[in-house]
Amino acid sequence: DVKVTQSSRYLVKRTGEKVFLECVQDMDHENMFWYRQDPGLGLRLIYFSYDVKMKEKGDIPEGYSVSREKKERFSLILESASTNQTSMYLCASSLRVRQAQNYNSPLHFGNGTRLTVT
Amino acid sequence: AQTVTQSQPEMSVQEAETVTLSCTYDTSESDYYLFWYKQPPSRQMILVIRQEAYKQQNATENRFSVNFQKAAKSFSLKISDSQLGDAAMYFCAYRSPLVSSGSARQLTFGSGTQLTVLP
Repeated sequence: DVKVTQSSRYLVKRTGEKVFLECVQDMDHENMFWYRQDPGLGLRLIYFSYDVKMKEKGDIPEGYSVSREKKERFSLILESASTNQTSMYLCASSLRVRQAQNYNSPLHFGNGTRLTVT
Repeated sequence: AQTVTQSQPEMSVQEAETVTLSCTYDTSESDYYLFWYKQPPSRQMILVIRQEAYKQQNATENRFSVNFQKAAKSFSLKISDSQLGDAAMYFCAYRSPLVSSGSARQLTFGSGTQLTVLP
């Protein structure tokens, strides 16, 4: 089974702090994603990466950056945390969609990090 | 851009009965992929079922089945013989086909339906 591990289950940070959320997957997946989950809004894509050192903005990238130095690791960075970034953050990975059998390959998710910014 | 709508924020069902969760989406594409994910209290998102738009046959996975109405852009999830372990937040999701390049790599999610199973 694919395992996607997020380094922290709960995190409390102060406004203005730099925050790192780490995600590691063990299935050699090319694609990795960071989503934010808020009540009534579902999951919204922050950033994704389809290869090492490659990244693309999702729907809500403002206030965030990412880093992918190794294939298995994808980090989400809050340069200066703000209270409106209090949320659940979900990391996911998947196979690259380049072959027919991968067209409907699912995302595999971590257990989420609940971040509170005070 | 595609949008996914789940109009039922909360649903409840008696154990052993059947419940249907609704999902509609908006797209101009003719080929795409649809998914239902389940998120129990453990927060681990689990794939429940998936459907390719070019397939007319509705997908089925044990007690879970979908009613895919392409013309109506509807993708509902039916859970038969509901069990206590089915209690979770359910998310409907849409994926563009490969030809849409970058957008092919991501899913667009609905806002979720919280399902409660009553003993």
